[in-house]
Amino acid sequence: NAGVTQTPKFQVLKTGQSMTLQCAQDMNHNSMYWYRQDPGMGLRLIYYSASEGTTDKGEVPNGYNVSRLNKREFSLRLESAAPSQTSVYFCASIDLDTQYFGPGTRLTVL
Amino acid sequence: EDQVTQSPEALRLQEGESSSLNCSYTVSGLRGLFWYRQDPGKGPEFLFTLYSAGEEKEKERLKATLTKKESFLHITAPKPEDSATYLCAVRAGNNRKLIWGLGTSLAVNP
Repeated sequence: NAGVTQTPKFQVLKTGQSMTLQCAQDMNHNSMYWYRQDPGMGLRLIYYSASEGTTDKGEVPNGYNVSRLNKREFSLRLESAAPSQTSVYFCASIDLDTQYFGPGTRLTVL
Repeated sequence: EDQVTQSPEALRLQEGESSSLNCSYTVSGLRGLFWYRQDPGKGPEFLFTLYSAGEEKEKERLKATLTKKESFLHITAPKPEDSATYLCAVRAGNNRKLIWGLGTSLAVNP
């Protein structure tokens, strides 16, 4: 079992460019989350999906869109990247009260 | 406002020197308190869940305890491999989302 995988691991974008962060889990969980982690801010929830076909906004959804493609995959899209979106992005798959995190994507927006 | 505060921000110990990390919370209707460990460059890894005051959980050199206002993560005779950031999070009320603390960065010197 790979658990939660994320691609890419690193990415550098210019302001205004778009990109999609990919996340997949092989644990057959219904719920999946996207977080960003910034120094001094902790983990903040961007979007979550309670089950296949549903998505909801978290604390900081502005500038992002998500797609729950199927039960395994949950992608995060930045349509027009801004320097304020420079961060480390984590995907998590949830089993009851336990969150299983991916290795993260380190994104820099210049 | 629901809030989670972790202290200290950073802690440096000698190998074998036991200590405790604190997580204090102010929430309406605690539904669970969670401890995670995060190594540099990696996603958080689940350690413990505590649901009610008086509950305790143990794993190797770690022991988590819970009162009505705070949780402690006790580290007994730590080893260098225990060096990491320890994150605390709580779930309150009917909200499925977690409120995260900023973490305690622990360094254990050999």
